[in-house]
Amino acid sequence: ILNVEQSPQSLHVQEGDSTNFTCSFPSSNFYALHWYRWETAKSPEALFVMTLNGDEKKKGRISATLNTKEGYSYLYIKGSQPEDSATYLCAFSTGTASKLTFGTGTRLQVTL
Amino acid sequence: EPEVTQTPSHQVTQMGQEVILRCVPISNHLYFYWYRQILGQKVEFLVSFYNNEISEKSEIFDDQFSVERPDGSNFTLKIRSTKLEDSAMYFCASRWVQETQYFGPGTRLLVL
Repeated sequence: ILNVEQSPQSLHVQEGDSTNFTCSFPSSNFYALHWYRWETAKSPEALFVMTLNGDEKKKGRISATLNTKEGYSYLYIKGSQPEDSATYLCAFSTGTASKLTFGTGTRLQVTL
Repeated sequence: EPEVTQTPSHQVTQMGQEVILRCVPISNHLYFYWYRQILGQKVEFLVSFYNNEISEKSEIFDDQFSVERPDGSNFTLKIRSTKLEDSAMYFCASRWVQETQYFGPGTRLLVL
């Protein structure tokens, strides 16, 4: 059974704070690690897909790193804004075109 | 920007009734998926579909579930005889050849 864990479960930060979350996944049979941003009543939005150990991806103020040997990925948000409030999901896959196995998500709330 | 759409956004049904959840994937995509999230739990994989056949299914996807791509644009999930425990948010996703799966906004199903 593949288990993907995310921490913390929820996070409350002030506008302007930088923050990060963790996703841990099985290091065996790894193919790709996905990060999604999900706002209530909207489609989960794909942020990053990473496949190689040491990968770093960036999209505006959001960036992610990947360590496949130890089985973790970090998502960083620099200078959080209220519009960053959402649930951030990571998901793991074991092969091309294979299913995604999701973590529980980290719910981020950014207040003024 | 192309997006995955799902209808209806909400559906309430009586236990034992059949429901059909509809999805229109992004038009040039080749791989199609259904996932669901029971309230308070992780997003979980149901089924994947490629080249007009099921390529993978989970233990949840038993004989009560079926999928169809009847006309080259819609992708449907049918639950023949709904149970209380089928209440969940159902997500459709599609992808082309690259790894990113694009998700729809979900259908919230409530079985009474």
